[in-house]
Amino acid sequence: AQSVAQPEDQVNVAEGNPLTVKCTYSVSGNPYLFWYVQYPNRGLQFLLKYITGDNLVKGSYGFEAEFNKSQTSFHLKKPSALVSDSALYFCAVRDTNAGKSTFGDGTTLTVKP
Amino acid sequence: DVKVTQSSRYLVKRTGEKVFLECVQDMDHENMFWYRQDPGLGLRLIYFSYDVKMKEKGDIPEGYSVSREKKERFSLILESASTNQTSMYLCASSFSTHADTQYFGPGTRLTVL
Repeated sequence: AQSVAQPEDQVNVAEGNPLTVKCTYSVSGNPYLFWYVQYPNRGLQFLLKYITGDNLVKGSYGFEAEFNKSQTSFHLKKPSALVSDSALYFCAVRDTNAGKSTFGDGTTLTVKP
Repeated sequence: DVKVTQSSRYLVKRTGEKVFLECVQDMDHENMFWYRQDPGLGLRLIYFSYDVKMKEKGDIPEGYSVSREKKERFSLILESASTNQTSMYLCASSFSTHADTQYFGPGTRLTVL
């Protein structure tokens, strides 16, 4: 079985400050990990993914995430937040042996000017 | 760019009606997915398909059925709509089942009265 947890419903940061959106996962095999973003009244857009290799993954809009196998985490980060980063963020995991991905409940990021 | 389109952005139906939600992708993707999105519950997979005429149940298939007669089109059917099926419905597609990014449509907000 696979599962993913986003422990924070809401994250608030000031513009220009670093941001972190947390994600932890559980799989029986090896994970594929994804981050998606949903802007208001839009569908989900892909940000980045970890498949194998370098634990630090860089994605769209200056976001990055670090795969930590020992802590089973895949936190999303950005060094300097923008107001336009305000959106709903979803983490997803897929066990390499599974046929489908499991999404987290989502974290609402609000960046204030 | 991959484009996933859904037949309606907003839909209002009455209890007991048969409802069809259509999804079309233009990138020759093998896999297509139907999710529902509810506040606090994230994305939950209803059904997915990895080939024409093939379908697999997701996490919450009860009350739904699907049809995939052509590779580019994946339909979600509510045989007899109920008020607890009021939700945002998201369609997605991906090139392969392994480690591949999902591309999402804009969503259909269905209200069942």
